[in-house]
Amino acid sequence: QSVLTQPPSASGTPGQRVTISCSGSSSNIGSNYVYWYQQLPGTAPKLLIYRNNQRPSGVPDRFSGSKSGTSASLAISGLRSEDEADYYCAAWDDSLSGHVFGTGTKVTVL
Amino acid sequence: EVQLVESGGVVVQPGGSLRLSCAASGFTFDDYTMHWVRQAPGKGLEWVSLISWDGGSTYYADSVKGRFTISRDNSKNSLYLQMNSLRTEDTALYYCAKEAAAGRGDFDYWGQGTLVTVSS
Repeated sequence: QSVLTQPPSASGTPGQRVTISCSGSSSNIGSNYVYWYQQLPGTAPKLLIYRNNQRPSGVPDRFSGSKSGTSASLAISGLRSEDEADYYCAAWDDSLSGHVFGTGTKVTVL
Repeated sequence: EVQLVESGGVVVQPGGSLRLSCAASGFTFDDYTMHWVRQAPGKGLEWVSLISWDGGSTYYADSVKGRFTISRDNSKNSLYLQMNSLRTEDTALYYCAKEAAAGRGDFDYWGQGTLVTVSS
């Protein structure tokens, strides 16, 4: 079972802003960096955000990450049809001595 | 260009064994920690295991501890996952992933995955 909890779905119309939450605990998000991945249908995941709020080269600045306490969030501004995908948060868990992923959120562009 | 190519996925019976391989190219393999991540059909991502650049440190998810063994051969630029005592719940697409940099913890490159099906 995932120890990071995300809403199963989120949606918006083109141009809107969508926010996805990721709730964890003191042993993971509360004490370690958060990462976000995007998985388009039928493809491998792609790194979107690292170290809470850093974007790898090539990731549009429409994607932004933040963290507060034991929760994190990913915001997608200026929503586009190609943003329709599954999004996962992740973090290292000190208690488990392993990485943990969130439950995943499916973003739909209406 | 970084490439990770997994192989070895097949249909296997419960209780059986399997070894997955991941061939890496396009980067200095022995500089990086490597991971296995799996995804059951229609389900989310589950981290499986990691191995440090020199093979000296390994970690496992509780769900596979004692049954799976991660290893690497830096001379062959290859990562492996030995899977024993397989269960139906191990059925998944198995990805190998490269850690972005030492201690960073994020995975900047992923393979396309190899499918393991555990079924009688």
